[in-house]
Amino acid sequence: DGGITQSPKYLFRKEGQNVTLSCEQNLNHDAMYWYRQDPGQGLRLIYYSQIVNDFQKGDIAEGYSVSREKKESFPLTVTSAQKNPTAFYLCASSIGTRLTDEQFFGPGTRLTVL
Amino acid sequence: AQSVSQHNHHVILSEAASLELGCNYSYGGTVNLFWYVQYPGQHLQLLLKYFSGDPLVKGIKGFEAEFIKSKFSFNLRKPSVQWSDTAEYFCAAPGPIYSGAGSYQLTFGKGTKLSVIP
Repeated sequence: DGGITQSPKYLFRKEGQNVTLSCEQNLNHDAMYWYRQDPGQGLRLIYYSQIVNDFQKGDIAEGYSVSREKKESFPLTVTSAQKNPTAFYLCASSIGTRLTDEQFFGPGTRLTVL
Repeated sequence: AQSVSQHNHHVILSEAASLELGCNYSYGGTVNLFWYVQYPGQHLQLLLKYFSGDPLVKGIKGFEAEFIKSKFSFNLRKPSVQWSDTAEYFCAAPGPIYSGAGSYQLTFGKGTKLSVIP
């Protein structure tokens, strides 16, 4: 069953702690993305990766870090430097980054920082 | 900077009413446009897309969208909504090019919540 999995679905952390969100895909896609979704803000791009061992900052990369050591995995770390980390985080993937490449989304992780 | 504007934050309709959700984009190059839908508790999924050709695009579940180049618009329509159409709808268009030729990212609008009353 092909798709994108994100874990956990809900995550609670204390302020000042780093936390890593998991994203795995078995679609054999080269490109992967992390978005942040806030009410009334739509989706904003945090980081994306076109290929293994490569990634680029998006619109709101400050306070976040990523790695892409394997094609199927693109974990996102929310660091203590992120000023407002409570949000819904969506991972996506696509075959490539051409204009015609549709993005497929995971179910999301809701992070709450207490 | 590229931007995507969705005119309505929240739309409330009765079943069988007609729907039109507005979307305007600012990207001036080759345009590929998308509408995504997020049903309550479900993944964000593609509703329809425009790449080229016929500016009237048909998608899943009876939705359609019309690309009007002169107005930079890609409005979503459905003649008769159902309660099951209750969801949040996002328009997306090409955004900033961060690295390399041929590498495009999407810019999403802020979304429109549609509530359909039975």
